[in-house]
Amino acid sequence: DIQMTQSPSSVSASVGDRVTITCRASQGISTWLAWYQQKPGKAPKFLINAASSLQSGVPSRFSGSGFGTDFTLTINSLQPEDFATYYCQQANSFPLTFGGGTKVEIK
Amino acid sequence: QVELGESGGGVVQPGRSLRLSCVASGFTFSSFAMHWVRQAPGKGLEWVAVISFDGDNKKYADSVKGRFTISRDNSNNTLHLHMNSLRPEDTAVYYCARSVGSGSLDPDGFDIWGQGTMVTVSS
Repeated sequence: DIQMTQSPSSVSASVGDRVTITCRASQGISTWLAWYQQKPGKAPKFLINAASSLQSGVPSRFSGSGFGTDFTLTINSLQPEDFATYYCQQANSFPLTFGGGTKVEIK
Repeated sequence: QVELGESGGGVVQPGRSLRLSCVASGFTFSSFAMHWVRQAPGKGLEWVAVISFDGDNKKYADSVKGRFTISRDNSNNTLHLHMNSLRPEDTAVYYCARSVGSGSLDPDGFDIWGQGTMVTVSS
């Protein structure tokens, strides 16, 4: 199974800050990586596919990059509605696996 | 609009069974592979199972293999998860989710999620 490791597990930031979340795969997955945002009590929301393809309706302050084993999700100019937990997920092979999550908290 | 809605969760004793359902609307259900993903209280996301667009192919996480069965009824736009021999560690919110890509069993992401249904396994 492919293990996905996210860091940090939590980050405190202020409105307007840039936040970068890292996701590392235990083996190469090309660009088969997705990112999700989850708010408390809600279902995850699909943000990015294929490592860097922003989904329709997702603000352009979100961006993704990476290839192989190392990936990043960047949120530029953090907004109040961005405080949430973010998960990466590999879509290279079954079983599909997620990172442990990164909670973005208000400083 | 495109929606998924789960039902069937509840409190069940260890060793018993439960069937979850997920009704789809707003898209051609029979064209997409569908998944179940779960989230234990306060924990991260865990993929559970996937079924191809026609129901002919299925895959499971090792943690549920042999106990859970995924199925679908394309005539009623409904996805099911039959859960047998439930264990306390199966306690979670269960989400149904649509596969991003084709209806086949290619690994992929999840672009549409339901609101989830809570399953609690406890004596």
